Amino acid sequence: EAGVTQFPSHSVIEKGQTVTLRCDPISGHDNLYWYRRVMGKEIKFLLHFVKESKQDESGMPNNRFLAERTGGTYSTLKVQPAELEDSGVYFCASSQGGRVGGANVLTFGAGSRLTVL
Amino acid sequence: AQSVAQPEDQVNVAEGNPLTVKCTYSVSGNPYLFWYVQYPNRGLQFLLKYITGDNLVKGSYGFEAEFNKSQTSFHLKKPSALVSDSALYFCAVRDMNNNAGNMLTFGGGTRLMVKP
Repeated sequence: EAGVTQFPSHSVIEKGQTVTLRCDPISGHDNLYWYRRVMGKEIKFLLHFVKESKQDESGMPNNRFLAERTGGTYSTLKVQPAELEDSGVYFCASSQGGRVGGANVLTFGAGSRLTVL
Repeated sequence: AQSVAQPEDQVNVAEGNPLTVKCTYSVSGNPYLFWYVQYPNRGLQFLLKYITGDNLVKGSYGFEAEFNKSQTSFHLKKPSALVSDSALYFCAVRDMNNNAGNMLTFGGGTRLMVKP
């Protein structure tokens, strides 16, 4: 079984530019999550998709961040325009369908490291 | 709100010695608790979880964790450390009764260094 794939593994951009991160979850996983780790701190929740619908986007920091999951398969996270504080590692994770609040284990990708200069 | 604290940024242990990585949590309801490990240039890998039942949970690579409800702790342990256990360890919690979704809340991570 292929794991969660993220692309690019590392992106270096200048402040004000746009970056799009992509996540391919495990096939058949309805739940897809985005998290990020900034400055070596906690891994923080950004948002949660169930299939193509946004279940919870309470962690999105501001409207410069846009996540999509068209067709309920892969997802993209766009940052436009990027700011210095957006630098960090963005993780994607997926899990099988289950009741809300369930004990499903999340499978994480290797992360996309974003550096904004 | 749910939260996790990992009080140690780094834990150093000699190979062959027992190791403990500490984690305390806070949730309004009952917790689901998880440990993940991150090796360099790799994603977070699941180690073990506590859902219900026995307080001592056994996981991958010889790791175990003990759920202590009174102390709201879920410390990760291993009887005999290996150099290959050196990595970044994250504790995470999800409120079993959280109707807002499946959001996991992570601690800040603890770097484990096992020296030969």
